[in-house]
Amino acid sequence: QVQLQESGPGLVKPSETLSLTCNVSGSSISSGYYWGWIRQPPGKALEWIANIYHTGRTSYSPSLKSRVTISVETSTNRFSLRLSSVTATDTAVYYCARGHPWAYWGHGILVTVSS
Amino acid sequence: ETVLTQSPGTLSLSPGEGATLSCRASQSVSNNNVAWYQQKRGQAPRLLIYGASRRVTGIPARFSGSGSGTDFTLTISRLEPEDFAVYYCQQYGTSLTFGGGTKVEIK
Repeated sequence: QVQLQESGPGLVKPSETLSLTCNVSGSSISSGYYWGWIRQPPGKALEWIANIYHTGRTSYSPSLKSRVTISVETSTNRFSLRLSSVTATDTAVYYCARGHPWAYWGHGILVTVSS
Repeated sequence: ETVLTQSPGTLSLSPGEGATLSCRASQSVSNNNVAWYQQKRGQAPRLLIYGASRRVTGIPARFSGSGSGTDFTLTISRLEPEDFAVYYCQQYGTSLTFGGGTKVEIK
């Protein structure tokens, strides 16, 4: 079955770059589908961050576009997120997901921005 | 950007009762591309409905979606204990946005 697993540091300092990876099993990234990142600040609603299609075409949330990069690594069947110049407001559980809409989700990883 | 407004913010109901959750878009959603998710505490969201009214395989028939244009509804016909959770709508017609969520709690 399709499984996604987020990985990366749980603590990032303000002004630094948050980097996360989503490892995918049970589905080949290059075979199709949208792959994306969604986040959820503690106690708040879901927020879409970015998408990438298997062709490499990307879409970004307008509010985060200037700071976000999403990329795919087909050789390792994973995709990644980079969010630059983080502040405390970027503290959230970050989810990776597949689909359009999102039918498969990772368990999520809590990333805290703090010095 | 299409803003989604969900109402009510909280719904207090008893098991066996029906629930009606609303999702209103600031502009018409292309192809009625609206999805509904259920999220329980500490878990990732689960996709219930897509295309406004299409139920995902394995989702119980008590969950149904309806609506078009700017107004969409998720109906739970008879609440089971496991249905008490937070529900989010999402539009994927033009870019992607989520609503603010509706919490269905036990009365």
